[in-house]
Amino acid sequence: AQTIHQWPVAEIKAVGSPLSLGCTIKGKSSPNLYWYWQATGGTLQQLFYSITVGQVESVVQLNLSASRPKDDQFILSTEKLLLSHSGFYLCAWSLRGANTEVFFGKGTRLTVV
Amino acid sequence: GDSVTQTEGLVTLTEGLPVMLNCTYQTIYSNPFLFWYVQHLNESPRLLLKSFTDNKRTEHQGFHATLHKSSSSFHLQKSSAQLSDSALYYCALRNYAQGLTFGLGTRVSVFP
Repeated sequence: AQTIHQWPVAEIKAVGSPLSLGCTIKGKSSPNLYWYWQATGGTLQQLFYSITVGQVESVVQLNLSASRPKDDQFILSTEKLLLSHSGFYLCAWSLRGANTEVFFGKGTRLTVV
Repeated sequence: GDSVTQTEGLVTLTEGLPVMLNCTYQTIYSNPFLFWYVQHLNESPRLLLKSFTDNKRTEHQGFHATLHKSSSSFHLQKSSAQLSDSALYYCALRNYAQGLTFGLGTRVSVFP
């Protein structure tokens, strides 16, 4: 069975500090990977997607960057956090194809103070 | 680019009454793939139902929706709302590589 693990579960960080969030997908090779962000009470905003290792496409950057160092790993990071980065970050995966379901991880709740 | 419109931000209703959430979409593709996701409080979104076939009703967990390409719509309905249906509901349009484009979401609150 496929599993998606996100880390950390929650973070409280200071403005201007660096950030690294990650997720790992097990049980599927070469999945499409995605990062979504949800402000408190807001909608789901796609940030990045990747269809293969080493390649990441930006949808909305929000002063964040993403990388896919391994086939099953997706990293979201920034060197300098802003207050506006607070929210719920969701990693997701899918198989190839436009008719396939997108599966979400449990998310990381980030509070920037 | 692709877009999804959900006209209701908040729907409040009494348990047992029917509920309908509107969803329309815009895409250049002639064969769109539409999804409804549900997100309960402090949880991540999960798939509720999906459709790729024009004018065919799809059902899951008491909810149903029909994709109508002629009107670019994919409205979600349930005949009798339950307290446990209180959640955020997102309509989404699937893109081959990019993933899902979500609407703004509709918060459903069901009261006894």
